[in-house]
Amino acid sequence: DAKTTQPPSMDCAEGRAANLPCNHSTISGNEYVYWYRQIHSQGPQYIIHGLKNNETNEMASLIITEDRKSSTLILPHATLRDTAVYYCILISNFGNEKLTFGTGTRLTIIP
Amino acid sequence: GAGVSQSPSNKVTEKGKDVELRCDPISGHTALYWYRQSLGQGLEFLIYFQGNSAPDKSGLPSDRFSAERTGGSVSTLTIQRTQQEDSAVYLCASSGRDRGGNQPQHFGDGTRLSIL
Repeated sequence: DAKTTQPPSMDCAEGRAANLPCNHSTISGNEYVYWYRQIHSQGPQYIIHGLKNNETNEMASLIITEDRKSSTLILPHATLRDTAVYYCILISNFGNEKLTFGTGTRLTIIP
Repeated sequence: GAGVSQSPSNKVTEKGKDVELRCDPISGHTALYWYRQSLGQGLEFLIYFQGNSAPDKSGLPSDRFSAERTGGSVSTLTIQRTQQEDSAVYLCASSGRDRGGNQPQHFGDGTRLSIL
């Protein structure tokens, strides 16, 4: 059973904010929300992660709801290079995790 | 560069040959992972190293697959007597540790292996 659910695809206009949702209603207390993306022919790229507080780095912002059952990745000013498949996954901090990606969201940035 | 480096980026070989794939992790990262990704498929875990030890080899598909890591740094994944079903992108990732626990895994761009 998938622990996260994401829309299969989204479009966003170049220069606008891209908001990618993720549902994780069965998240455990020790699980972090991680976001990766994979651009065609490249390896997965780490974007951001968080436990319960909102997080921001040079790439994106992560908003996690108070009940932690869902989150949103925000790319503030999308560019064509942000076209990729985005994966939302849950990772516990208690050991080295074997990453498993679901189907993710295919984000297409429209010029 | 400061990222995970994998070589070769592409490898084409005949069925039955042996291949060796190399991964240079980010300097200082103690954990190293090998995955593979087949066309249109998800990520498949192969093996995990902590330092030079491999506490989890559960993902290796058969005894034709082996991996080693020396000096807590470079790792090689070897596939003997390659089969066509071995064709995939082989990805390496590394991560460090801080007081808060594990750090994110950072990936290389993979080796695209094609078995003819």
